[in-house]
Amino acid sequence: EVQLVETGGGLVQPGRSLKLSCVASGFTFNNYWMSWTRQAPGKGLEWVASITNSGGSTYYPDSVKGRFTISRDNAQNTLYLQMNSLRSEDTATYYCTREEGNNYFDYWGQGVMVTVSS
Amino acid sequence: DIRMTQSPASLSASLGETVNIECLASEDIYSDLAWYQQKPGKSPQLLIYNANSLQNGVPSRFSGSGSGTQYSLKINSLQSEDVATYFCQQYNNYPFTFGSGTKLEIK
Repeated sequence: EVQLVETGGGLVQPGRSLKLSCVASGFTFNNYWMSWTRQAPGKGLEWVASITNSGGSTYYPDSVKGRFTISRDNAQNTLYLQMNSLRSEDTATYYCTREEGNNYFDYWGQGVMVTVSS
Repeated sequence: DIRMTQSPASLSASLGETVNIECLASEDIYSDLAWYQQKPGKSPQLLIYNANSLQNGVPSRFSGSGSGTQYSLKINSLQSEDVATYFCQQYNNYPFTFGSGTKLEIK
């Protein structure tokens, strides 16, 4: 059974940093691209970052480029999201997602809440 | 960026009815479209990918269609467990973008 378990969320002040982790199980982690997608409270979904299976390439939307870094440790079956210079608009539930095929998201974690507030 | 315009924003239908949700892309996305279902308080789940392929384990009353810029999700024989918000997503071009969602309720 595929499982994605996110940790590392919490309350953080604007301008500070936070690192999210996602431990994957139930599949061969290093065969899959992985992503982070977020959802602000009561709002829609926003893709945040993707990383190839080897970790050699990463992709971001302009809203987080230069502030967020996605990475992975294939030996530990773990995906990360380093978030720097956090803003109030980054407040959201962050989901770890597995990419399949042409880059749709076939499995989602339970999500972790990040609140950016002073 | 490709804009995904989803309609309607909300929908109320009776048990057993058929409902349709539409998604219009701002440019041709060559069927690189997925539909997700998000039940209240839960994570989204994949229903349809490549515009019309049913994800394993998803009931056959769900179906997707469309091409070019126009896509739709059809739910036949509406069940109480279908109460959820539905999102479309294009993955033809970065940045991947989602529709704003359709909230489905039972009348």
